[in-house]
Order: sequence, then C-alpha cells, then structure tokens
Amino acid sequence: EAQVTQNPRYLITVTGKKLTVTCSQNMNHEYMSWYRQDPGLGLRQIYYSMNVEVTDKGDVPEGYKVSRKEKRNFPLILESPSPNQTSLYFCASSSTPAGLFPDTQYFGPGTRLTVL
Amino acid sequence: AQKVTQAQTEISVVEKEDVTLDCVYETRDTTYYLFWYKQPPSGELVFLIRRNSFDEQNEISGRYSWNFQKSTSSFNFTITASQVVDSAVYFCAYYNAGKSTFGDGTTLTVKP
Repeated sequence: EAQVTQNPRYLITVTGKKLTVTCSQNMNHEYMSWYRQDPGLGLRQIYYSMNVEVTDKGDVPEGYKVSRKEKRNFPLILESPSPNQTSLYFCASSSTPAGLFPDTQYFGPGTRLTVL
Repeated sequence: AQKVTQAQTEISVVEKEDVTLDCVYETRDTTYYLFWYKQPPSGELVFLIRRNSFDEQNEISGRYSWNFQKSTSSFNFTITASQVVDSAVYFCAYYNAGKSTFGDGTTLTVKP
C-alpha cells in the first residue's frame, strides 16, 4: 500500500531534550516536506526537499533540522525543543519531476508533539 | 512572498444547501499551482483538486466544483447539495518550486 508513515504518532517530552520524528514514504517520490499545524493557522511549511541531499527552508524553519540521505526518508530533528514547538506535525511526499506539473502531496497521519 | 487567504473561518449550513468556500492568493510568480485539501475530524489530509496557473478551466467532480479566475487571483470551491459527511476543515494551498503556502482553512459544518 502506497503510504507515508510517521513515527512516533504521539510524543510528550521536556524542554531541551533532543528528539527525532521519522518520516518514510514507499512511493519513490522525489519531493518531501514537513509542516506544522497549529489551531487557526493552517499548515506552515518547515523544510522541504526536492531530492536526495537537497533541502531548503520553508516559512518556519527556526529550531528544526532535516536531512535527506535516502530518497524514502526525511527525518525532522528538534535539537532543543521548546514549548512553542508543541504542535501537530505532518510529513508529505510528492512525485514532482523538475519542470513538470507536480502531483498532489500525500500526507502522513501526523505526529502530535507536546513539549513541557 | 506568496499569501493565501481564506476569509471564511467557519461556515455552517443545513444539509442539501450549496456552499462556496473562498480562496484568494497573492503572488508575483507566473507559473504556480493551486490545490484544495480536506481535513475531516479524523485528522488526515485528503487531496481534492489541483490546478496550474495556465489552466483556468473550471471543473466539476460530482457534487464538487471549482472556479479558478486568474484575473482576480481566486480559486473558489463549491459543494452542491451538502451532506453531513462534508463537515471538515478545507484548505486552499499554493505551490511553486518546492514551497507550499496554505491558507488558514475554513471549517465547514453541515447540520442534518
């Protein structure tokens, strides 16, 4: 089954304790992206990757890191989480050949993160 | 920077009414793509439609229809004969060269 998986689905942590949220897709998609969703603010893009070893900042990258060493994986790293990073996080992937009409983004189920 | 505005925060209708969700965007790009997504109470994000900036043809899919007007930078979404199962948050989104900008969403409640 074609899907985007995220782990963990729920996480409660404390300020300053490094954490990683994993994202994996099995559709051989070039494009992957991370978003956070906060009440009333829609989805805001954190980072995106057009292909392996190519990452770029979205609108709200502060406090986050990403890496894209393999096509299927795009982990989100919070080196020193703070309470304002409490949010619902979505990973997405898409088949987006350069210069061509991008496919829709397929979203993971979301990771609800609470930072105390 | 691009901006997507969904001015309607919440809409409530009675089943079988038609409802239109508005989306207005701002950009200086000549090539871009627009999407609508649905987020039901269960939380997943479901793709509804995509459009590119060169295709202003309106589209109808069952009870759903979309009106893209480049001249007014709008990409509105209409549900005809709404049903309770249409209750969800609907997002309009802009995409170009990797960057995605979502509107804040419109919460649609369809009452029986």
